This record gives sequence, structure tokens and C-alpha cells, in this order.
Amino acid sequence: GAVVSQHPSWVICKSGTSVKIECRSLDFQATTMFWYRQFPKQSLMLMATSNEGSKATYEQGVEKDKFLINHASLTLSTLTVTSAHPEDSSFYICSARVNPGQGALEQFFGPGTRLTVL
Amino acid sequence: AQTVTQSQPEMSVQEAETVTLSCTYDTSESNYYLFWYKQPPSRQMILVIRQEAYKQQNATENRFSVNFQKAAKSFSLKISDSQLGDTAMYFCAFMRNGNKLVFGAGTILRVKS
Repeated sequence: GAVVSQHPSWVICKSGTSVKIECRSLDFQATTMFWYRQFPKQSLMLMATSNEGSKATYEQGVEKDKFLINHASLTLSTLTVTSAHPEDSSFYICSARVNPGQGALEQFFGPGTRLTVL
Repeated sequence: AQTVTQSQPEMSVQEAETVTLSCTYDTSESNYYLFWYKQPPSRQMILVIRQEAYKQQNATENRFSVNFQKAAKSFSLKISDSQLGDTAMYFCAFMRNGNKLVFGAGTILRVKS
């Protein structure tokens, strides 16, 4: 089956620093990746859609300058939380969708990254 | 905009019993896809079952089946012979033409021994 990894799985950083989270599709190519944020016992909130080789599309209310997304290859997307603050502490999940020619419907999810900002 | 509503924040079921989780959605589209995802305590999202709106037959995956009522915009999940490993948060989700997923608020299911 399709596997998506995230690194790191857990990160603690100081307020004001930047943190990068990687999302990789291990056994398939993904032209599109999605980044979600999830608070405890709540649903997944889509932050942005990341397309390989182009700028990410951010959902309303998500600060693009704070949450930088780069999708430089068909297997890697990164989310950088810049100038992190305690309110950015959350669980961040990525998902990847296979190329249209391989069946474009299903999204495969990474295991998530827990970010704690002190 | 599409919305997905899960009206049961929490449910519990005895092991080996059957439980049904409710989901309704709102859309003006005729072609779309519906999903149930499971998120166990590990927080890994796992696809449970998928339904294409153009298919009248309800999807089934082993102990998991759906009751898809297109006119009523209802998509419930039935779990038969519940197992302790089914304890998780369950999300109903809607997708249109390979676009982004819209999730419901989720239902916490606890299977009791």
C-alpha cells in the first residue's frame, strides 16, 4: 500500500524560532499533498494544498507567511512554521494523493507531527 | 460550500455488538465521493471505507458497511462484531472530483469488554 512518512514525529521548540516538518511519499509519486492541523479531540482542518512545482494554495484564515510550504519534488513537501508561538502548538498531518493517471481519489495520510512551542 | 455533519460526539458499544455512526452532508453536486476514516489513539488516519455517489450499491469492507442514502444525503457507517481495536475517532469525509476532503467533526467510539 501507499506509505507516507513525516519527520519529525515530535518536536519542541522555543518561541520565535522556526520549525520545518517534512512529508514524504515513500512508494509513489504525489503531485498533490495536503497539510492539516488538528487540535485535541477535534477534526482535521485543511491548511493548504501543495502542488509540485507551484505555489501552495492556502485556506482562508491561514497565514501564508507564517506557514511556508514547499513542494520541490514529487515525493517531498515541507511545512515550515516561522517565528513559532505557543498558539502554534498542535498536531500537523500531511496527506498525499497519487498522480491522476494512477487513480487520483484517495489520500494517504502521514503519521503526524506533534509540535510544542515553549 | 460542502458541509459534513456528525451528530454523535461520542458513542460506546459492547464488544461483539453492532454500532452505527451517523453522517449527513450537504452538497449541490451529483458526482462526489464519501469516506469514513478511523483515527486510533496513535493518531494515524486510516481509510475504513469509500463510497462513490454514482454507485447505488452500498460499500462493504469485512465488518464495516455503509448505508448510503443519496436523496437524504446520509452516509452512516455500521460496524458489526465490534472489537476492542475499533476504539477510535471516526471521521466522515466528502470529496468532489478528486478535490480536497471536507471532514466532519468526528465521533469518538469506545468499545467496551
